[in-house]
Amino acid sequence: AQTVTQSQPEMSVQEAETVTLSCTYDTSESDYYLFWYKQPPSRQMILVIRQEAYKQQNATENRFSVNFQKAAKSFSLKISDSQLGDAAMYFCAYRGSNTGNQFYFGTGTSLTVIP
Amino acid sequence: DAGVTQSPTHLIKTRGQQVTLRCSPKSGHDTVSWYQQALGQGPQFIFQYYEEEERQRGNFPDRFSGHQFPNYSSELNVNALLLGDSALYLCASSLRDHLRKNIQYFGAGTRLSVL
Repeated sequence: AQTVTQSQPEMSVQEAETVTLSCTYDTSESDYYLFWYKQPPSRQMILVIRQEAYKQQNATENRFSVNFQKAAKSFSLKISDSQLGDAAMYFCAYRGSNTGNQFYFGTGTSLTVIP
Repeated sequence: DAGVTQSPTHLIKTRGQQVTLRCSPKSGHDTVSWYQQALGQGPQFIFQYYEEEERQRGNFPDRFSGHQFPNYSSELNVNALLLGDSALYLCASSLRDHLRKNIQYFGAGTRLSVL
């Protein structure tokens, strides 16, 4: 079964600084998709960024970018110019191309932004 | 355009009871997935409904069942509640044709407490 591991239960960053959240995953599939979701106290999961495994170029969405290392099965999220509104739980998720539509989530990283 | 809506927001039940949670997908979406998120954990896939049928199921017992109506809304039913069923239950909707693009929207969830 696919597993997603987030080894950092909690992280903190100074406002305007950069922080990197780590994620590793285990799979035997060659084609899959990776995601970072944000879950603020309102509980609604919000998609931050996604990456197709067949694309070598790292995805970028404004202040959010990923470092996708397929061979190492690593998928980290970098948040630049951190803002107070970035404070939330961040979940890494995996979806395989051969495992239907099931998403596998990590246990999350709680990000605190210090003013 | 309303997003994914779930009801109720909070629910308290006792062991052995039965519960029904409801989800209305985002306008135009035809596929609904349900997730269980225990405290301090990432969401776990329960099942997915499309065309009023369960299409895929995660590792959950038969006590968890669901239904999808012709208007695409969905219900999650849990029978013989256990203390361990206490969790946030998330609904996610998508358009079947867009699943390949992994476009999935989440609701704010129903917080179920089993006493």
